[in-house]
Parts: sequence; structure tokens; C-alpha cells
Amino acid sequence: AQSVTQLDSQVPVFEEAPVELRCNYSSSVSVYLFWYVQYPNQGLQLLLKYLSGSTLVESINGFEAEFNKSQTSFHLRKPSVHISDTAEYFCAVTSNRDDKIIFGKGTRLHILP
Amino acid sequence: KAGVTQTPRYLIKTRGQQVTLSCSPISGHRSVSWYQQTPGQGLQFLFEYFSETQRNKGNFPGRFSGRQFSNSRSEMNVSTLELGDSALYLCASSLGLPNNEQFFGPGTRLTVL
Repeated sequence: AQSVTQLDSQVPVFEEAPVELRCNYSSSVSVYLFWYVQYPNQGLQLLLKYLSGSTLVESINGFEAEFNKSQTSFHLRKPSVHISDTAEYFCAVTSNRDDKIIFGKGTRLHILP
Repeated sequence: KAGVTQTPRYLIKTRGQQVTLSCSPISGHRSVSWYQQTPGQGLQFLFEYFSETQRNKGNFPGRFSGRQFSNSRSEMNVSTLELGDSALYLCASSLGLPNNEQFFGPGTRLTVL
């Protein structure tokens, strides 16, 4: 069975500082990986995804994540955060053999002025 | 293409009542999933429907039920409401395999008094 672990429930970081949100997964088959973002009082939006090909994937607002098969990780990074990045971030995993998608418990990103 | 829509956006009910929430998926999407989100438990999977059949189910009591119509629109019903059912209920649609990317609606905020 697949599983996802987001190691940090909350991450405080100063504005313009770098941030890394950690995500580890468990699966016995090839996976597809996603990061979703939820801004206050909204639904979840897809931030970026890894399906195949380059292990480094980027979003339009400066986030990136790297698929590391050996470490079974898909950490999300941004070199310089902005106050508008305040949100909850969810990592998710699925595979082409499973019609289920598994979400992590989420990491709340707090941007400090 | 229109996104996932959910109605109503906000709902207030009292204990013991029942409630029906509605979700219209993105055109062409045959999979609809429902999630409950609370501050304490995070994002929890309720069930998924595909082509009018429940395909996956989470660990919720039988008071939570759903259905999907031939046009892929879905409803979920909660009977005999409890205070603990207060939550944001999110609906997501998907094309299904191979990668099951979820597209979320804005959610219905249910408050049980």
C-alpha cells in the first residue's frame, strides 16, 4: 500500500528566506507525485506534479520539487518566500496501477515579516 | 473549461438533521471524490465514485453516503448530524488513470450547532 509522510505540520520562515517542505512516500511501484496548495478559505490547487521525465519540476510561482527515487522523497523548495505564499501545502502520491490517490497530512507555511 | 463547482458554499444545520451537498465535476471527468477537512484530523478521504459506482471508500460511518448521476454530478449526504461533522467538505474530479490528478472545488463549509 502507498503512503505519504509530511514530516512537518508547521514551518515558520522569514519573508525572502528559503524554505523546504518535506515529503516522503512509500510505494512498491512506480509513482506519480503531486504538491497541492490551499490558501485560506479555498479548495486545493495543484502546484506542481511529477509524472515522468526530468526529476526536477517547477511551478509558475517559483516553487520546485525534486523526485528522489533512492530516498523516496519529493521535497518542495522555494529560494525566497513571499507573504503571499502563506498557505497549507499537501503532498500526494498515486500510481498507474492504483485508482487511489493518497494525501499527506499537510504542512502549514507561516511567513514571518 | 469550467472548474469543479460545489453547492452550497456555506451551510448551518443543527444536530440530528441531515444534509445533502452537491458537486459538479469538470466536463469529461468521470471520477468524483469527496474529502472532509477539519483542523484536528486534516484532509480525510470519504469516498470516490466513477461512472455512477462507488469505487473506493474511506473509514467513515454509514451516516455518510453518496451517489453519482449519469452526468457525473455527485451528491453526498450526511444523516443524523453530529457536532463533529462540522468541517469543510471538498469535492475533487479526475479523469482517472493513469495519474488520477485531482481538481478540487472550493468546498462547502458545514457548521453543525
